[in-house]
Amino acid sequence: AQRVTQPEKLLSVFKGAPVELKCNYSYSGSPELFWYVQYSRQRLQLLLRHISRESIKGFTADLNKGETSFHLKKPFAQEEDSAMYYCALSYTGTASKLTFGTGTRLQVTL
Amino acid sequence: KAGVTQTPRYLIKTRGQQVTLSCSPISGHRSVSWYQQTPGQGLQFLFEYFSETQRNKGNFPGRFSGRQFSNSRSEMNVSTLELGDSALYLCASSLPRTGGNTIYFGEGSWLTVV
Repeated sequence: AQRVTQPEKLLSVFKGAPVELKCNYSYSGSPELFWYVQYSRQRLQLLLRHISRESIKGFTADLNKGETSFHLKKPFAQEEDSAMYYCALSYTGTASKLTFGTGTRLQVTL
Repeated sequence: KAGVTQTPRYLIKTRGQQVTLSCSPISGHRSVSWYQQTPGQGLQFLFEYFSETQRNKGNFPGRFSGRQFSNSRSEMNVSTLELGDSALYLCASSLPRTGGNTIYFGEGSWLTVV
């Protein structure tokens, strides 16, 4: 069965510091990986997906199949990045069935 | 365009009762999925409907059921409520593509079972 692991419940960084939110997954096939974000009092929304290979709000994530990881990175944290971040996985044919990690709360302080 | 709309937003039910939650997807979206979010278990997939048919199902007991109407609106029902069913229930909609589709979530329905 597929599983997504986010080892950190809380990550606290200073403004301007680099950010790395860790995500590891277990799945034997070819998964599709996502990062979702939930800002305070807002709905869960897609931040980025691995197939797009794009940078959103300065965040990037690279799928490393060898290490089964999909870590989210940003070189310089901003206050507005403070939010709950969820890594999620789906597999071919079940794009709407997401397996989520437990989430990491990112706290950016001055 | 309007986002995914869920009603009611908040409700309190008594153990043993049943509850029905409603979800209106984004216009044009034909796939609707439901998730349960709790502090202990996190976000867990309940089921997905497409064209009025259940396409995928998570590991939840039969007390959890759902349906989708011809206009793509969906309802989920939980019968014989238990205290552990207290959770945020999220609905999400998407276009029916198997790859690269974006799933849009609603704000959720907060269910408290007392």
